[in-house]
Amino acid sequence: DAGVTQSPTHLIKTRGQQVTLRCSPKSGHDTVSWYQQALGQGPQFIFQYYEEEERQRGNFPDRFSGHQFPNYSSELNVNALLLGDSALYLCASSPHQRPTRNGYTFGSGTRLTVV
Amino acid sequence: GEDVEQSLFLSVREGDSSVINCTYTDSSSTYLYWYKQEPGAGLQLLTYIFSNMDMKQDQRLTVLLNKKDKHLSLRIADTQTGDSAIYFCAERLNGGSQGNLIFGKGTKLSVKP
Repeated sequence: DAGVTQSPTHLIKTRGQQVTLRCSPKSGHDTVSWYQQALGQGPQFIFQYYEEEERQRGNFPDRFSGHQFPNYSSELNVNALLLGDSALYLCASSPHQRPTRNGYTFGSGTRLTVV
Repeated sequence: GEDVEQSLFLSVREGDSSVINCTYTDSSSTYLYWYKQEPGAGLQLLTYIFSNMDMKQDQRLTVLLNKKDKHLSLRIADTQTGDSAIYFCAERLNGGSQGNLIFGKGTKLSVKP
């Protein structure tokens, strides 16, 4: 049973560019959340998608946007990249129907470096 | 406000017990989690505790929850070098259909042979 898969694993972009990160949730999961983990910090919640809609959002600017597809996979888009956007971006999936005592299943992340 | 605090570093000798502490602020949290992150990797769920419990044991792991003081701890018995990693405490808030996780900054556990 495949867990959460994210692509690419590493990415280098230039300031001002745009980037798209991808996530496929664990089989049986329909809700996808994205987190940003800066170096030496804990993950911070960006937003959550369910039924192809953004359901919750953390304290991130509108440069961060996302999408969820009918197959539950998701994309995270960041426009006008800043040096401070350099981080590990983690995708987490979970089943929506009832709160999961097992928390969220995390992918291995995409390491984004902005130069 | 929402905040999760952890000490940043812990060093123990192989075979000893490790205790990692965490405090959280939101009394409406339903579940509290411990995640492990090895270098260059994502997060691995170690264990969780529901907010109406005060203790949970799972093999070498023991979680203690003091809801009155909003204090959570993770005890690792017989710590091994393979336990060296960063450990994150996280609380799951009640908000929305799923709630999101609030993480601490992580405790780096170093295990010396």
